[in-house]
Formats: sequence, C-alpha cells, structure tokens
Amino acid sequence: IAGITQAPTSQILAAGRRMTLRCTQDMRHNAMYWYRQDLGLGLRLIHYSNTAGTTGKGEVPDGYSVSRANTDDFPLTLASAVPSQTSVYFCASSVEGAGTGELFFGEGSRLTVL
Amino acid sequence: GQNIDQPTEMTATEGAIVQINCTYQTSGFNGLFWYQQHAGEAPTFLSYNVLDGLEEKGRFSSFLSRSKGYSYLLLKELQMKDSASYLCAVRDSDYKLSFGAGTTVTVRA
Repeated sequence: IAGITQAPTSQILAAGRRMTLRCTQDMRHNAMYWYRQDLGLGLRLIHYSNTAGTTGKGEVPDGYSVSRANTDDFPLTLASAVPSQTSVYFCASSVEGAGTGELFFGEGSRLTVL
Repeated sequence: GQNIDQPTEMTATEGAIVQINCTYQTSGFNGLFWYQQHAGEAPTFLSYNVLDGLEEKGRFSSFLSRSKGYSYLLLKELQMKDSASYLCAVRDSDYKLSFGAGTTVTVRA
C-alpha cells in the first residue's frame, strides 16, 4: 500500500525557474492539501482541494498554483521560484465527512531555491 | 482564521509524564488533532477530539475544553522513541486543518 507519494524527494532550483511538485494518492480520498513547513512556523496551508475539479486557497497561496484533474493527483506548481519558497512541502489527503477526517501525509519534498 | 499556541520545547526523563498544552482561537471549530513528527519525517496522526473530555489511547491521552479553547496531550511512561515534535491542529467548518508551530519533546535517559 503506497498511500501518498511525493516527487521529487529533494530538489535544488535556481530562482526564476518553474517547478512542479507531484503528489499522488491511492486511497481514493476526496480531499487533498499542500502544506509548507518552515522552522518556527509549523505547517502552513498553501492550497487545498475538497474534491476532484475544485481547488481553494489556503493561508499562504501566493506564488503557487494547483490543479485537481482527477481524484488521485494534486500537483503544486511554482511558476517562478523565489528564495523565500525554500521549504519542506508536504502533500496530504483525507476523507471528509467520515470518521475523524485525519490527514495522511506524504514523505515531503525538500525544495531549495538559490 | 485560527490562532494556535503551544510551547516550543519541553524536556523530560524516560519513564516520566509530560503534558503539552495547546490554546486556540478559532472562527469555526470542527475538531482538534494531535500529530507526532519525528525529525526528517512526515507527521503522523495521534489523536482527535471534537467533544469536551479526555480521549485515551494507550500511553497517550488528549483532552479538550471547547469553552476554554484549550487542549492538552499527555504522554505517559515516556520512552526515548517519544522524542519528537508534537503538533496541535484545529479543523475549521470547511474541514481545513491549521497547525500550531509544534512542541519539540526531548526525552533524556
């Protein structure tokens, strides 16, 4: 059982470049999320999707875009990377409206923008 | 929005008990979660409270008071493997989860 798979695991990127972080889940969860985690700030929500075909902005959406063409995939794109986007990015999914609705996290993507 | 506060660091001795407090202010409340995160790893789910009271799960317990905007996570019989960051998170009415900055617990022999 894979759960949530993120790629790449780690990436060093020049400022101004475009970058897409991939996220795929095989649990058929309807909701998916992208968070960034920075020291001292905790996890902050970038974008989310409650179901395929819909997306919404989180706490820190500027400079990022997402799409949700199907249930399984939720890519995060940095159109023109800046050094302040250096962070660890976590993709997560959950089943809304059932049980606890806990989040299941991927292993994270460590991005460094130079 | 959510405003979630928890201590930055705590240190305790193996076999002891540690209580991590979390206070929150929220515009809509739909549950409180605790996650554990070991260094370099993804967060993993520990507990969930939506009603007032204590939820016990083995060595870990979580308490919620909605009227006070307060929760705590109680770790009993501490083990070295419990050294980790513990994240308090509040879910809003739109099912979005907001996290506190986390409390790093160090267990000493």
